[in-house]
Amino acid sequence: QSALTQPASVSGSPGQSITIYCTGTSSDIGGYDYVSWYQQHPGKAPKLMIYDVTNRPSGVSNRFSGSKSGNTASLTISGLQAEDEADYYCSSYTSRSTRLFGGGTKLTVL
Amino acid sequence: EVQLLESGGGLVQPGGSLRLSCAASGFTFSSNAMTWVRQAPGQGLQWISSIGASGDATYYADSVKGRFTVSRENSKNTLYLQMISLRVEDTAVYYCAKGRVGALDYWGQGTLVSVSS
Repeated sequence: QSALTQPASVSGSPGQSITIYCTGTSSDIGGYDYVSWYQQHPGKAPKLMIYDVTNRPSGVSNRFSGSKSGNTASLTISGLQAEDEADYYCSSYTSRSTRLFGGGTKLTVL
Repeated sequence: EVQLLESGGGLVQPGGSLRLSCAASGFTFSSNAMTWVRQAPGQGLQWISSIGASGDATYYADSVKGRFTVSRENSKNTLYLQMISLRVEDTAVYYCAKGRVGALDYWGQGTLVSVSS
């Protein structure tokens, strides 16, 4: 199975909002509400930021939000802060009982 | 506090074998599915295997099916990944994570597997 499709990079200035899109198919993103997003700083383990499309784990800032339309999911970060600079990965459960990740998006805070 | 601690990584020759372990604490291990994810140097995340809470259901990515075996020992709160017929392209940091279908809500710090002659 091919990876979910994400832009390689996005950037924004402090205080601005950015959105990262993640495109799949009806066999993954479009078929299930099991989309999650992970933040990874260099040399660190991934951290769960959004689960089940729209939900934030306890302790994650409400500046992070998720949504889905059809086969495309999105992660929006509002009020960008320097600490948000990291790699972001989307992930979805699939019809084959497997999991797919996106290729990752490098967020640069200008 | 949930903790996941991987071990067992190292340098192995192509065609060799290795067994990774993931020691879990801070949650009811026997009630939770678990997952292995790897990340090749400079690359993205790749799901490779998951196992149900009781260990009776296992799932694999096509790239490792037939070569990797996931298992668990609930009495020891430990997850395993047995890897055989290792290839250069299996070189990666291997993470264990709590969860399967939905969110992977906790991750270990990873263990590095290097396959090289």
